[in-house]
Amino acid sequence: GAGVSQSPRYKVTKRGQDVALRCDPISGHVSLYWYRQALGQGPEFLTYFNYEAQQDKSGLPNDRFSAERPEGSISTLTIQRTEQRDSAMYRCASSLGRGPPADTQYFGPGTRLTVL
Amino acid sequence: GQQVMQIPQYQHVQEGEDFTTYCNSSTTLSNIQWYKQRPGGHPVFLIQLVKSGEVKKQKRLTFQFGEAKKNSSLHITATQTTDVGTYFCAGDDNFNKFYFGSGTKLNVKP
Repeated sequence: GAGVSQSPRYKVTKRGQDVALRCDPISGHVSLYWYRQALGQGPEFLTYFNYEAQQDKSGLPNDRFSAERPEGSISTLTIQRTEQRDSAMYRCASSLGRGPPADTQYFGPGTRLTVL
Repeated sequence: GQQVMQIPQYQHVQEGEDFTTYCNSSTTLSNIQWYKQRPGGHPVFLIQLVKSGEVKKQKRLTFQFGEAKKNSSLHITATQTTDVGTYFCAGDDNFNKFYFGSGTKLNVKP
């Protein structure tokens, strides 16, 4: 079956522009996570959803970052007024959400964001 | 805040040698997951450990969860070139918030 998909795969934008990153989880997966991964580092938690409810957004760096999952499926991570320090790989993961304990997270290919 | 430290950062081994990566948390974890990320790829789930002192094996891979649920290890016996990649541990604080270690990059020389 289809895995987690993310679009776009690459995004180059100018400082100050807004960007929207999309995640399409595995069908039927309740939980959806957003991570940011810098080169040579592990994924850094940003936020996660169960169905359409945002359960934890404590990892969002500041109020320029927001995420939504309005129908409990596709999710969008939006970064407003992008800055160069926002450049990173943004990864989405989904899981069945049967826990606790938390179950397997399936990661998407990521969106490589470059802010010039 | 909670931190998950992972060592070593890099490990270069000759094919056939063993490899171990260690993960330590500053706080007690609900459970811990291990992932493998190939160069240019995305993290792929390997295993989850939940119980104190748990040991699980997958062929040449052995995973351990410490008695205090604050540390974990992954040991690979007789490495192969297919084992190349970065291995991450990810600790769950019991609220579905995962703290990933910085990873151990394994290189295997044939």
